[in-house]
Amino acid sequence: RKEVEQDPGPFNVPEGATVAFNCTYSNSASQSFFWYRQDCRKEPKLLMSVYSSGNEDGRFTAQLNRASQYISLLIRDSKLSDSATYLCVGGGSGGSYIPTFGRGTSLIVHP
Amino acid sequence: NAGVTQTPKFQVLKTGQSMTLQCAQDMNHNSMYWYRQDPGMGLRLIYYSASEGTTDKGEVPNGYNVSRLNKREFSLRLESAAPSQTSVYFCASSVAFKEPQHFGDGTRLSIL
Repeated sequence: RKEVEQDPGPFNVPEGATVAFNCTYSNSASQSFFWYRQDCRKEPKLLMSVYSSGNEDGRFTAQLNRASQYISLLIRDSKLSDSATYLCVGGGSGGSYIPTFGRGTSLIVHP
Repeated sequence: NAGVTQTPKFQVLKTGQSMTLQCAQDMNHNSMYWYRQDPGMGLRLIYYSASEGTTDKGEVPNGYNVSRLNKREFSLRLESAAPSQTSVYFCASSVAFKEPQHFGDGTRLSIL
């Protein structure tokens, strides 16, 4: 079992829709979590960190559920420009546990 | 505002040739990473360096070697390239493991 798992999708949604992705992680000692966005054939770019209390950045909301060991990303009012692959990252516990990327969830926003 | 710089951006090799992918960061980050990304496979960690002077194997280290030349530079070497190493290679750096990573533009490598 991979340490970090995501539904690959694709999630195909109309403009203006709300869409949510989940990402499960296996190491309960994981301390840090992030969501990255990756456009086709480009490098991943940090979208947002995920904090224990949940956090919001504009149309994007990230949440952490430690009891069930998953993180989520909610995108409200989807734009065409949100079409991309979204990667979650878990890990970073102490000095010996390196961060691990999920394989990504593909989002396609159509007119 | 360079961030993480990878060279070259594109390369075509013949089977058996060797080459070194270069990576440099100017953010004074301690940790550096090399990933490969293949269709449907996501990012797979090849090697990483927690801090200057240390390197460790990741998920897919076979066929590769690395050197953490100094705090800024982390190179990846293919000693005898194989077609299975055709991929997009990303270098990344972070202040520490628990901090977010910053990626270079990638190197697109084809091995014939």
